Amino acid sequence: DADVTQTPRNRITKTGKRIMLECSQTKGHDRMYWYRQDPGLGLRLIYYSFDVKDINKGEISDGYSVSRQAQAKFSLSLESAIPNQTALYFCATGLAHYNEQFFGPGTRLTVL
Amino acid sequence: GQQVMQIPQYQHVQEGEDFTTYCNSSTTLSNIQWYKQRPGGHPVFLIQLVKSGEVKKQKRLTFQFGEAKKNSSLHITATQTTDVGTYFCAGVTNQAGTALIFGKGTTLSVSS
Repeated sequence: DADVTQTPRNRITKTGKRIMLECSQTKGHDRMYWYRQDPGLGLRLIYYSFDVKDINKGEISDGYSVSRQAQAKFSLSLESAIPNQTALYFCATGLAHYNEQFFGPGTRLTVL
Repeated sequence: GQQVMQIPQYQHVQEGEDFTTYCNSSTTLSNIQWYKQRPGGHPVFLIQLVKSGEVKKQKRLTFQFGEAKKNSSLHITATQTTDVGTYFCAGVTNQAGTALIFGKGTTLSVSS
């Protein structure tokens, strides 16, 4: 969905490097999410935020941190990247958990 | 922890055959959503089911929510090559609005 953008779209980095993935949305949604997708494992929730002052850990938050800089922006950081963090990362937005979530195009991250 | 199991993991069909994917939760769900991810794409919302025993149709797709609100299914009648992709179910487990819990998905391939 063009209303949810992610940068970069692809990134190759080395073990130990700090990396930030950014997500922006123009939908005006208050809720934002970061997911990780690995083959055969589906989508796993890393962090989510219900509004600017709210941050919640998801299923697999270890090794990650997030920042909700504004309603429209939600960044995911890997403080010290490791190879098993190689995955496809999706940002999503929503108005409430009972409504649909809108996914960004994804960021493919490779950690060497 | 809370889990949403989805089977089968993979399904190959001939064009025109039917396809069904099943989703089972270890706990009662407040609602369940279905998403489709085309190869190389991002998940896109298909539908949400809320009521016990609910059945919804979208053209050749039929979605069901079990009476106990612990299982759901997606049935595609007379598959087409455009149906190729991975289908995910995602459940919300309580009224407090916890994040969606995604199944691992069923990847459908269709040969003509």
